[in-house]
Amino acid sequence: AQSVAQPEDQVNVAEGNPLTVKCTYSVSGNPYLFWYVQYPNRGLQFLLKYITGDNLVKGSYGFEAEFNKSQTSFHLKKPSALVSDSALYFCAVRALNSGYSTLTFGKGTMLLVSP
Amino acid sequence: GAVVSQHPSRVICKSGTSVKIECRSLDFQATTMFWYRQFPKQSLMLMATSNEGSKATYEQGVEKDKFLINHASLTLSTLTVTSAHPEDSSFYICSAPRTSGGNTGELFFGEGSRLTVL
Repeated sequence: AQSVAQPEDQVNVAEGNPLTVKCTYSVSGNPYLFWYVQYPNRGLQFLLKYITGDNLVKGSYGFEAEFNKSQTSFHLKKPSALVSDSALYFCAVRALNSGYSTLTFGKGTMLLVSP
Repeated sequence: GAVVSQHPSRVICKSGTSVKIECRSLDFQATTMFWYRQFPKQSLMLMATSNEGSKATYEQGVEKDKFLINHASLTLSTLTVTSAHPEDSSFYICSAPRTSGGNTGELFFGEGSRLTVL
């Protein structure tokens, strides 16, 4: 069975500092990986995805993620955090040859950026 | 702008009543939509897959008679929580994939609907 692990419930970072939100996954076959962000009482907003190609994927709002096949990781990064980045972040995975009904989400990591 | 619209964003109802939540794809056709439920500080759990013109596919443990899904058109799916009880209070989110010749299109989410059953 596929799974996603986000080992940190919360990540705290000061504004202007780099941030990393960790994600590891387990899936049969090639992975199709996503990061989404959720603001309070809102739906999920797409940040970025990885299918194939360059291991470093650039997404919305200055975020990027690095796919590491050997470590089965897809950590989310941003060089300089903003207070407005404070939100709940979800990593998700499905097998590339499966449908969206198999999309599995991590439990989420709350990012708090202090001024 | 939003490509998937969900309505209402918040609803409060009395126990025993039914509540309908709508999910619309705004600028694309969605033969498939997904309904999720999110408990506080928890991840999204897929409830069911809504299929245009056919019956929805429910995940294990989800009562299909409790959570009625209708996907009557290529842009609209509805979730009706029947005979709602306080334990049905939750945040419900729909999503739809915008595909173009494959299954690697983007999955767009609605803004979510907060249901509170008194």
